[in-house]
Amino acid sequence: GEDVEQSLFLSVREGDSSVINCTYTDSSSTYLYWYKQEPGAGLQLLTYIFSNMDMKQDQRLTVLLNKKDKHLSLRIADTQTGDSAIYFCAEIPPGGYSTLTFGKGTMLLVSP
Amino acid sequence: NAGVTQTPKFRILKIGQSMTLQCTQDMNHNYMYWYRQDPGMGLKLIYYSVGAGITDKGEVPNGYNVSRSTTEDFPLRLELAAPSQTSVYFCASGPSGNTIYFGEGSWLTVV
Repeated sequence: GEDVEQSLFLSVREGDSSVINCTYTDSSSTYLYWYKQEPGAGLQLLTYIFSNMDMKQDQRLTVLLNKKDKHLSLRIADTQTGDSAIYFCAEIPPGGYSTLTFGKGTMLLVSP
Repeated sequence: NAGVTQTPKFRILKIGQSMTLQCTQDMNHNYMYWYRQDPGMGLKLIYYSVGAGITDKGEVPNGYNVSRSTTEDFPLRLELAAPSQTSVYFCASGPSGNTIYFGEGSWLTVV
């Protein structure tokens, strides 16, 4: 089946901006999500965007949505070492009972 | 706030044994889910439920069973455990649609 695609790894320096990209599968998806997973922990909902929005900002996080290209990005401003984690992009395709389809995750490593 | 609570957090099973992963939520959410996460992979949906008494298969249901007798609880049953079921299991819940909250995970090893 089709997959939600993400780059596997991103390395940045503390204080820089990080941009994590995702390509999702269904242009009719209603909600798109970013989850954060720290080592040995569960998934923390970071933010989500409704499909009729182009952008959503929440403190250091900015989500950009390009529906035409089915492209979603997460920008983290002033990245900190505590931001080091795996970030998952996920979508809810239409017709499903809010069942999330996940990408394989992008490991973000922030060095001092 | 307890949120989504899973037990046990860690378990080692022998091949052929059975066990139940417990999941409970105190947010009165209708929708509940079980996912598994294999190393280097995203999460795959095992089963989900849209309300008490209703369950449905996800992407990878083989080898598992679920029940939803109450709104709060959504246990996942493994019958005849196999090494391929070694994984991290996540339970999740949501009111419907846009916000889905995950438990902290259950690490299962089948040897």
